[in-house]
Amino acid sequence: AQSVTQLGSHVSVSEGALVLLRCNYSSSVPPYLFWYVQYPNQGLQLLLKYTTGATLVKGINGFEAEFKKSETSFHLTKPSAHMSDAAEYFCAVANSGYSTLTFGKGTMLLVSP
Amino acid sequence: EAGVVQSPRYKIIEKKQPVAFWCNPISGHNTLYWYRQNLGQGPELLIRYENEEAVDDSQLPKDRFSAERLKGVDSTLKIQPAELGDSAVYLCASSSGFSSGNTIYFGEGSWLTVV
Repeated sequence: AQSVTQLGSHVSVSEGALVLLRCNYSSSVPPYLFWYVQYPNQGLQLLLKYTTGATLVKGINGFEAEFKKSETSFHLTKPSAHMSDAAEYFCAVANSGYSTLTFGKGTMLLVSP
Repeated sequence: EAGVVQSPRYKIIEKKQPVAFWCNPISGHNTLYWYRQNLGQGPELLIRYENEEAVDDSQLPKDRFSAERLKGVDSTLKIQPAELGDSAVYLCASSSGFSSGNTIYFGEGSWLTVV
């Protein structure tokens, strides 16, 4: 079965610092990988996704992620954090039938001035 | 283009009462999902529809939960009777061609508190 592990339930950074949110996955098929963001009292918004092709994927709001098959990782990065980036971030992998998503438990990003 | 629309946004009910959530997916999306998100957790699939057919309901607690998608468009998720442990966010999502790499889009969720 597919699964996702997000290391760190909370990550704290200062405004302007590098953001790194870690995601490792397990998949029995070539993975489709996703990062979603959830702001307080809102639904999930897609940040970026990897399905096929280029392994470095750029998303909205300056975020990017790199698919590393050898490490089974799909870490999310942003060079410089903004206060508005404070939210919960979820990594997800498609199931083996490519019909739905399995989510990690999420990482709360805290940004301090 | 409108996104996935859900209502109500917030609902507080007493245990043993019924509750229903409604979802209108993005126009043209044949696949509709209901996920449940417990506090501090990631969303978990309850049921998936392809058009009007429920093709994956293995995680739906059928003793108290039911869902329908009449005419393959709008969907309703019902809980009867509600239990304290049902307090969660119920997320509706839709997609078209996910297996081809398209995106699953989520609504803003229906936040349920059972007291």
